[in-house]
Amino acid sequence: KAGVTQTPRYLIKTRGQQVTLSCSPISGHRSVSWYQQTPGQGLQFLFEYFSETQRNKGNFPGRFSGRQFSNSRSEMNVSTLELGDSALYLCASSLNPRDLYGYTFGSGTRLTVV
Amino acid sequence: GQNIDQPTEMTATEGAIVQINCTYQTSGFNGLFWYQQHAGEAPTFLSYNVLDGLEEKGRFSSFLSRSKGYSYLLLKELQMKDSASYLCAVTSNTGNQFYFGTGTSLTVIP
Repeated sequence: KAGVTQTPRYLIKTRGQQVTLSCSPISGHRSVSWYQQTPGQGLQFLFEYFSETQRNKGNFPGRFSGRQFSNSRSEMNVSTLELGDSALYLCASSLNPRDLYGYTFGSGTRLTVV
Repeated sequence: GQNIDQPTEMTATEGAIVQINCTYQTSGFNGLFWYQQHAGEAPTFLSYNVLDGLEEKGRFSSFLSRSKGYSYLLLKELQMKDSASYLCAVTSNTGNQFYFGTGTSLTVIP
């Protein structure tokens, strides 16, 4: 079966711009979570969506937002980009919020802010 | 809050055994996961411990001591392809969220 698909794979943006990243979960998975991965901080939780509702949110500024559509696909948006937002953004999907065993990550979107 | 610590880097020889430690302090501990991540790729699931003890899966084993807030991942008969980052992650009973350590970059040398 197809895995978690994230697009685009690579992105270069200028400071101050905004960016939208996309995540298509495994078919049948309704829970999608987003993480930011940087060398110094590791993976940090951004937010989790289930049935189009944000269930949980990490400790990130309001510039980071997301949404989930009825087909479970999810997008995250970062406005007013800063150099420190350069990172690998990973999404993960699972059947439901309690299905931690079935958590599957995508390969990520590498965002570079210049 | 959640605090997960693991060594930043380790080097081991092909064919040898390596142990990657992870200590954690967390409220509402639910379980501990280990993931493997090759450069530029998605993290992939290795093991899951919810009870104390050793879980063995082929060349990989993971141990958990909840009273000590301690886990380790044991890799036997190391192969060059085992060079990767190994991520320790803790889940809490308050929601579907992983708390990750910064990862241990393992380099296997001939």
